[in-house]
Amino acid sequence: AQKVTQAQTEISVVEKEDVTLDCVYETRDTTYYLFWYKQPPSGELVFLIRRNSFDEQNEISGRYSWNFQKSTSSFNFTITASQVVDSAVYFCALSDPHSSNTGKLIFGQGTTLQVKP
Amino acid sequence: GAVVSQHPSRVICKSGTSVKIECRSLDFQATTMFWYRQFPKQSLMLMATSNEGSKATYEQGVEKDKFLINHASLTLSTLTVTSAHPEDSSFYICSASAGEGSEQYFGPGTRLTVT
Repeated sequence: AQKVTQAQTEISVVEKEDVTLDCVYETRDTTYYLFWYKQPPSGELVFLIRRNSFDEQNEISGRYSWNFQKSTSSFNFTITASQVVDSAVYFCALSDPHSSNTGKLIFGQGTTLQVKP
Repeated sequence: GAVVSQHPSRVICKSGTSVKIECRSLDFQATTMFWYRQFPKQSLMLMATSNEGSKATYEQGVEKDKFLINHASLTLSTLTVTSAHPEDSSFYICSASAGEGSEQYFGPGTRLTVT
């Protein structure tokens, strides 16, 4: 069965610190997608990244970077020089290609990040 | 990115009444729409998937007679919570996709409170 685990329930850092949010997934599929979403207090989900299972290149987008390691089934997310506006709940998600509902996403439990000034 | 809207953003209703939530894709044709439910401080749980012109597929444990989903056009899906009870109070989020392999775009969510 597919599963996504975000072991860190809450993380608190001081502004300008780097922070890594962990994500470990389980799937028997060879083809899948991994995602990260940000959910600020307003509730709206903000798409951050999508990575397919055949692309293990790490990605950097501004202060955000992602480390995809198939060998350990992990897709970790690092925020460099964190800012107060980064405070939100972050979700890691896995697509379920075997589901008859194409595109079904399985979400992790979420990590609440608090960045203090 | 693509825009998905939800209406209403907040709704308070009395126990026993029905509430309809709309999800619209504003700038693309959504062949598939998804409905999620999120309890406070918890993750998103998929309730059902709807494909335009066909019946919705419900996840295990979701009552299809209670949560009626209609996807009558490529830009609109509706979720009706029938005979709502306080335990149905939750944050309901929809997402829309243009098809297999396409990105999912999420709506801003609807906060339902049943008194």
